[in-house]
Amino acid sequence: AQKITQTQPGMFVQEKEAVTLDCTYDTSDPSYGLFWYKQPSSGEMIFLIYQGSYDQQNATEGRYSLNFQKARKSANLVISASQLGDSAMYFCAMREIMDSSYKLIFGSGTRLLVRP
Amino acid sequence: DAGVTQSPTHLIKTRGQQVTLRCSPKSGHDTVSWYQQALGQGPQFIFQYYEEEERQRGNFPDRFSGHQFPNYSSELNVNALLLGDSALYLCASSPTGAAFFGQGTRLTVV
Repeated sequence: AQKITQTQPGMFVQEKEAVTLDCTYDTSDPSYGLFWYKQPSSGEMIFLIYQGSYDQQNATEGRYSLNFQKARKSANLVISASQLGDSAMYFCAMREIMDSSYKLIFGSGTRLLVRP
Repeated sequence: DAGVTQSPTHLIKTRGQQVTLRCSPKSGHDTVSWYQQALGQGPQFIFQYYEEEERQRGNFPDRFSGHQFPNYSSELNVNALLLGDSALYLCASSPTGAAFFGQGTRLTVV
């Protein structure tokens, strides 16, 4: 069965500094997708970045980048130049494909607090 | 372009009651999935609808049922509510690939 592990329940970072949120995954499928979502206290899950298993380059979206190490089965999120508004829960997720449909499997999340 | 919208945003129900949650997907998205997020946990997949049919289901009892309408909007119904059903219920829509989520419905069962 596919599994996502986030080992950091909480993280602190100083404003304007970079931070790395860890995510490891387990799957036997050769084709998979990895996602990062941000969840503020309002509850909405905000899509940040996506990495496909066959993508040759690490995904980047503005201040977000995904450090994808396939052999180590890790997909860490790097946030550069942290802002106070980055304080939120962050979830790593994997897309599990079954027949013609798919679902997302989420990790337990990391709470990030940005200090002024 | 409106994103995924869910209603209501908050709901309080009594044990044993039934509840219906609603979701309108992002324009152009034909697949709707529902997730339950208990406090302090990641979301758990409930089921997915496509072309008005339940296409895949997670490990949830039959008390959880759903429906998708021709305009792709969807409902989640939960019967015989238990205290443990208290959670944030998230709806996600997608064409393919990434899922885009609504703001969720926070259900409290007392």
